[in-house]
Amino acid sequence: RKEVEQDPGPFNVPEGATVAFNCTYSNSASQSFFWYRQDCRKEPKLLMSVYSSGNEDGRFTAQLNRASQYISLLIRDSKLSDSATYLCVVRGTGNQFYFGTGTSLTVIP
Amino acid sequence: DGGITQSPKYLFRKEGQNVTLSCEQNLNHDAMYWYRQDPGQGLRLIYYSQIVNDFQKGDIAEGYSVSREKKESFPLTVTSAQKNPTAFYLCASRSNSYNEQFFGPGTRLTVL
Repeated sequence: RKEVEQDPGPFNVPEGATVAFNCTYSNSASQSFFWYRQDCRKEPKLLMSVYSSGNEDGRFTAQLNRASQYISLLIRDSKLSDSATYLCVVRGTGNQFYFGTGTSLTVIP
Repeated sequence: DGGITQSPKYLFRKEGQNVTLSCEQNLNHDAMYWYRQDPGQGLRLIYYSQIVNDFQKGDIAEGYSVSREKKESFPLTVTSAQKNPTAFYLCASRSNSYNEQFFGPGTRLTVL
């Protein structure tokens, strides 16, 4: 079983829509959780860390459900510039990080 | 400018040749990581280092070697023993005080 699993999509949504991505992880002792954004042929960039109580950064909301071992990312009022691949990342009990394969989002005018 | 640099951006290699990818950071980060990314796959860990002169194998270390002689530098050598080296190679670093990793721009290696 993979450490981190994501629906690869693609998600094609119109501008202004709300879209949500989920990600599940296998190790219940995992310590830290993140969402990264990766544009085509570029490096991943940190979008936000995910905290136990949930957190929001502008149009982006991240939530963690430890009991069900999943994290989510909600994007409100989608912009064309949100088109990218979103990577779910989990830090295990040591110093290793585990990456999902990414969920592809295209925002359509 | 603070950040992580990788060079070269593109690299072409003939089969049977070793090649070294550079990764430098001036963020004073303690930990450094090398990942490989293939189309349709998540990033996979090759090697990581928590402190100078110490490093650990990741999930796919075979055919690769690293060194960490300075805190700022973590070069990766792709040896001829690596069966399928064509990929996008990403270096990352992290402060031990924080959880977040930050990535360099990557090196795209193609074996001809």
